[in-house]
Amino acid sequence: EAGVVQSPRYKIIEKKQPVAFWCNPISGHNTLYWYRQNLGQGPELLIRYENEEAVDDSQLPKDRFSAERLKGVDSTLKIQPAELGDSAVYLCASSLVGPYEQYFGPGTRLTVT
Amino acid sequence: DQQVKQNSPSLSVQEGRISILNCDYTNSMFDYFLWYKKYPAEGPTFLISISSIKDKNEDGRFTVFLNKSAKHLSLHIVPSQPGDSAVYFCAALEGTASKLTFGTGTRLQVTL
Repeated sequence: EAGVVQSPRYKIIEKKQPVAFWCNPISGHNTLYWYRQNLGQGPELLIRYENEEAVDDSQLPKDRFSAERLKGVDSTLKIQPAELGDSAVYLCASSLVGPYEQYFGPGTRLTVT
Repeated sequence: DQQVKQNSPSLSVQEGRISILNCDYTNSMFDYFLWYKKYPAEGPTFLISISSIKDKNEDGRFTVFLNKSAKHLSLHIVPSQPGDSAVYFCAALEGTASKLTFGTGTRLQVTL
């Protein structure tokens, strides 16, 4: 069984530029999560999807962050414009039933200069 | 406000000995706890979990203990192996909410 796929693995951009991250969850997993992990911290939830619906986006900075999950499969997380403080690892996870076992992708390490 | 705390950023243990990783929480509404293991350049992987109705859960070399009155849980690894060297995150769930709250992680190094 293929795991959660994320791309790109690394991204370096200048501040004020846009950036997008892509995630392909495990086949059949209806729930998809985006997390941000700052250096030395644990992952923090940004948004959770149940199929195509964003059911928890309370932690997503909506002024610059957006996300979509078309057709309830792949998902894209976008930042526009990026700020220096957005430098972090962005993790995607998926789960089959409930939040108890979430499978994480390798993450995208974003560096904003 | 850090609701899940891992106060030891790092731990070094000799191969074959017991590793004990600790986690404290402040939110009394948490009712399910998980441990994740993370290798460099990889995402966290689920290791073991425990419901608040239990005080112990065991899976092979890994055992998690929960002390609800102290709002404390611990992960025991016996015997420790070099491949166990990784960052371990404690995480908690609250009731019907599906949001995992993670601690800051403890880096375990198992030495030969």
